[in-house]
Amino acid sequence: AQRVTQPEKLLSVFKGAPVELKCNYSYSGSPELFWYVQYSRQRLQLLLRHISRESIKGFTADLNKGETSFHLKKPFAQEEDSAMYYCALGPTGANSKLTFGKGITLSVRP
Amino acid sequence: DTGVSQNPRHKITKRGQNVTFRCDPISEHNRLYWYRQTLGQGPEFLTYFQNEAQLEKSRLLSDRFSAERPKGSFSTLEIQRTEQGDSAMYLCASSLDGGGEQYFGPGTRLTVT
Repeated sequence: AQRVTQPEKLLSVFKGAPVELKCNYSYSGSPELFWYVQYSRQRLQLLLRHISRESIKGFTADLNKGETSFHLKKPFAQEEDSAMYYCALGPTGANSKLTFGKGITLSVRP
Repeated sequence: DTGVSQNPRHKITKRGQNVTFRCDPISEHNRLYWYRQTLGQGPEFLTYFQNEAQLEKSRLLSDRFSAERPKGSFSTLEIQRTEQGDSAMYLCASSLDGGGEQYFGPGTRLTVT
């Protein structure tokens, strides 16, 4: 079974502080991992995916298969980063669905 | 094309009534997905279509739920005999083929009283 765990519900930091949003997954095959973000009063949108290996809005995420983790990181948080962040697994093979974690609220204080 | 659209945005209904939601995907996308999101949870997969074919249904989708995509364009999700536990945000998403980037609509918030 596929499972995504985001162990924290809320992370509150000051502007300029580093950010790490944790994500662990459970999947027996070769996973495809994503981070989706939802800003206030906006729809859910893709932030980044592990296969692209790029930095979006200063965020990066590295897939660690040994630790089954895909943590999202940013060295210097900005107020506009305040949002709800969801880690998601899939689609994989014939399975087209995304499996989401419960999400974490990131609050960046001035 | 301004993205995935969903109607209505809000629906309040009494227990036992039937409701129907509509999703219009991005026009060139052949895959369409329905998810449900309750408070404090991430979106949970309900079902998906490739063109007009419904290829997968979650166990969350009870017999009271039915989804269609008759011409491979828009989709409808119907809930019969609504229950209070059906209160949730219903999200629609679309994608081109099986790519992991799914484009989400704004959702329909259902409240069953």
